[in-house]
Amino acid sequence: EVQLVESGGGLVQPGGSLRLSCAASGFNVSRNYMSWVRQAPGKGLEWVSVLYSGGSIYYADSVKGRFTISRHNSKNTLYLQMNSLRPEDTAVYYCARDYYGAGRLDLWGQGTLVTVSS
Amino acid sequence: DIQMTQSPSTLSASVGDRVTITCRASQSISTWLAWYQHKPGKAPKLLIYKASTLESGVPSRFSGSGSGTEFTLTISSLHPDDFATYYCQQFDGYSYSFGQGTKLEIK
Repeated sequence: EVQLVESGGGLVQPGGSLRLSCAASGFNVSRNYMSWVRQAPGKGLEWVSVLYSGGSIYYADSVKGRFTISRHNSKNTLYLQMNSLRPEDTAVYYCARDYYGAGRLDLWGQGTLVTVSS
Repeated sequence: DIQMTQSPSTLSASVGDRVTITCRASQSISTWLAWYQHKPGKAPKLLIYKASTLESGVPSRFSGSGSGTEFTLTISSLHPDDFATYYCQQFDGYSYSFGQGTKLEIK
């Protein structure tokens, strides 16, 4: 079955760190553009970061310098390392696939909740 | 960065109505525009990509049009399952961005 499963969310204090994982099955993470998208409580969808199949990486300005996207090809898993977390980073984080870089996110995980609070 | 603006923010309609949501880009994006349906507690669902291509399995009552900076999503006859929040999304070849969303409510 083709699917994405996120894990790693939880409660963290401001200034803390957390690493999210997104395990893929049924396709290769390394051959697709893989993104993280988040939704803060009561807010809309916000794109966070993308890792291209060729290795290029881009971030939203709101997370640049604090978040790092990466992948482990043999584990077929995407990661998001989140440092210097702020209360405004509180959100459900989704990983999503852009199939061969066609500009649309055709496969999404179920999301994992990150809460930044003291 | 390319900004996406949707209108209206909220839309009240009845089952069977025809509705249209508009999305405007701050600069031309050709047809690199997708539409999603999002319901609480669920993953967003891709409806349309390349501005007007219907994703496999999506009902034909959904359609998209536009190019450049102005785009529309039309639902020809609302079903009860269509009440949700809709987002447009652009891809500029480097990064993505979403509109702020349109909440479609039952009148």
